[in-house]
Amino acid sequence: EADIYQTPRYLVIGTGKKITLECSQTMGHDKMYWYQQDPGMELHLIHYSYGVNSTEKGDLSSESTVSRIRTEHFPLTLESARPSHTSQYLCASSDRGSYGYTFGSGTRLTVV
Amino acid sequence: AQSVTQPDIHITVSEGASLELRCNYSYGATPYLFWYVQSPGQGLQLLLKYFSGDTLVQGIKGFEAEFKRSQSSFNLRKPSVHWSDAAEYFCAVGTTSGTYKYIFGTGTRLKVLA
Repeated sequence: EADIYQTPRYLVIGTGKKITLECSQTMGHDKMYWYQQDPGMELHLIHYSYGVNSTEKGDLSSESTVSRIRTEHFPLTLESARPSHTSQYLCASSDRGSYGYTFGSGTRLTVV
Repeated sequence: AQSVTQPDIHITVSEGASLELRCNYSYGATPYLFWYVQSPGQGLQLLLKYFSGDTLVQGIKGFEAEFKRSQSSFNLRKPSVHWSDAAEYFCAVGTTSGTYKYIFGTGTRLKVLA
């Protein structure tokens, strides 16, 4: 079954730790995205990729980084987590612009 | 630059009542338009989309939306709301310029009274 998977679903971590949020999709989509969502707020695009070895920063400045070595995998890394990084992170993928995104279930990150 | 406005932050309706959620967009050409639903603690699920053709589009879970170019609107409707429809609803606009980036509205949280 084609889908998009995010792990972990929930993560509580101490300040200064390095973390990687995983995102994988089985649909063969070229385009993948990371959005940050705070409670009651709109989604903000922080990173996107249009294919292997292609990554761009989104509209919201973020201290995180991403990589796209394989089509199906688009991990997000925070080198040193801080409380301001506490948020929900949503990964999405798409094929054509008119088709809409498929979203993962999200990772809720809490930095203490 | 394109933008999306969802004027209603919260809406409360009784189960069985009709529902309309408003969405206005700003974009120079005909955009791609989407409605997504998000249940608590979950990702977003696509309800329906419009990119050309018939301006009244049908989606999943009994939802429909109508694209009105003259009003720059894409309102979501459902004739009879079920308690399970309680969730947050996001309108999104995508450009036809090939950038594949969508702009999301701030969302409307729907509460359904039994």
